[in-house]
Amino acid sequence: DQQVKQNSPSLSVQEGRISILNCDYTNSMFDYFLWYKKYPAEGPTFLISISSIKDKNEDGRFTVFLNKSAKHLSLHIVPSQPGDSAVYFCAALNAGKSTFGDGTTLTVKP
Amino acid sequence: EAGVTQSPTHLIKTRGQQATLRCSPISGHTSVYWYQQALGLGLQFLLWYDEGEERNRGNFPPRFSGRQFPNYSSELNVNALELEDSALYLCASSLAGGNYEQYFGPGTRLTVT
Repeated sequence: DQQVKQNSPSLSVQEGRISILNCDYTNSMFDYFLWYKKYPAEGPTFLISISSIKDKNEDGRFTVFLNKSAKHLSLHIVPSQPGDSAVYFCAALNAGKSTFGDGTTLTVKP
Repeated sequence: EAGVTQSPTHLIKTRGQQATLRCSPISGHTSVYWYQQALGLGLQFLLWYDEGEERNRGNFPPRFSGRQFPNYSSELNVNALELEDSALYLCASSLAGGNYEQYFGPGTRLTVT
C-alpha cells in the first residue's frame, strides 16, 4: 500500500512556463508535507514545506498547495528554468516518519 | 555552515558481514534520520533518532539498527548483510521534534557482493 503517490513519472515544460508537480496521499494522519529536489548522485535538497493547517506556502518561484479534503498537494514552479531539471519528491510526515513518493522527473527545455 | 556529512562515501562488503555507516548532522540539529534508496526504488524510511533515543522505525528487520551519540552524530549498523541490502543510504537531520524540514547528506553507497 503506497501511501504517497506521484502519478506522473515525468514532466516536460518549456523554459519560462509553469511546472506543476502533483502528489496524492492516503493517510489522513500526515501532518507535514515537503518537497525535495534531487540530482543524480546527490542527496535530496529541501525545497519547500507546508503544515497541514495551511493550504498554501510560497517561497520565491516555488508555491506548494495543499488540499486536505482531496488528500492532494502540488508544487508550482513559476517561471520554470533549465536549472530546475531534476527529480522532485514529495514527502509526508507523521511522528517523524517520512513517506516519500517515487518522484517525478522534471525536464525544462530552453 | 557545514551540511550533513556521511562516511564512508562507498562501502563494499560481502554477504554475512556487518556494515557501519556514519552521519554528522548540521550544527544545532538534534534529530537524525536514515533512509534506504535501493536501485530503481524510492526513499524508504529506516530510523529516526532524537536526543539519543530511537523515536520511530520503518518496516525493516532488526538487523538494521543504529544509535545516536551525545554530540547528535549517528551510526547505522546493518548486520548479516544480504545482497538486497545494496543501496544508497541517506542520512538527514532536522531540528528536534520530527516535523521539520530534513536536510540530507550525500549518502553512502553500500555494495554487498
